[in-house]
Amino acid sequence: AQSVTQLDSQVPVFEEAPVELRCNYSSSVSVYLFWYVQYPNQGLQLLLKYLSGSTLVKGINGFEAEFNKSQTSFHLRKPSVHISDTAEYFCAVSDLGRAEKLVFGKGTKLTVNP
Amino acid sequence: KAGVTQTPRYLIKTRGQQVTLSCSPISGHRSVSWYQQTPGQGLQFLFEYFSETQRNKGNFPGRFSGRQFSNSRSEMNVSTLELGDSALYLCASSRTEGSTEAFFGQGTRLTVV
Repeated sequence: AQSVTQLDSQVPVFEEAPVELRCNYSSSVSVYLFWYVQYPNQGLQLLLKYLSGSTLVKGINGFEAEFNKSQTSFHLRKPSVHISDTAEYFCAVSDLGRAEKLVFGKGTKLTVNP
Repeated sequence: KAGVTQTPRYLIKTRGQQVTLSCSPISGHRSVSWYQQTPGQGLQFLFEYFSETQRNKGNFPGRFSGRQFSNSRSEMNVSTLELGDSALYLCASSRTEGSTEAFFGQGTRLTVV
């Protein structure tokens, strides 16, 4: 069975500082990996996804993530955060070609302070 | 192009009642998945429909059911509501089976009192 562990439930940072949100996954098969963002009272918006190929994936809003197969990790990074990045971030995994059924981590609440 | 539309956005029901939530996927998308989001359990997969057939089901009691219509719109139903069913219910649409991406609606916030 697949599982996702987001190592930090809350991450407070100051504006313009870099941030890394950590995600580890467990799966016995090859997977797709995703990062979603959720703003208050909203649904989920896809930030980026890893399907295959280059292990460094660039997404929207200046976010990027690196897939590390040996460490089964898919950490999300941004070199300089803005107040507007305050939101909850979810890492998710699916079997190859099965993005219709995602397994999510518990989420990381990112708070950007002025 | 319109996104995934979920109705209603907010709902308050009494324990023991039943409720039906609706999801209209992105035009051309044929797969619809449902998720329950609660503070304690996080995001959990409920079920997935493709071509009016349930393809996958998560670990939820039989009180939770769904269906998909020929136009790909989907409904989910919860019978005999319990307080613990209070949650944000999210619908996601994908173009087809074997998709590489799922697009989420804004959700329906269900409160059971």
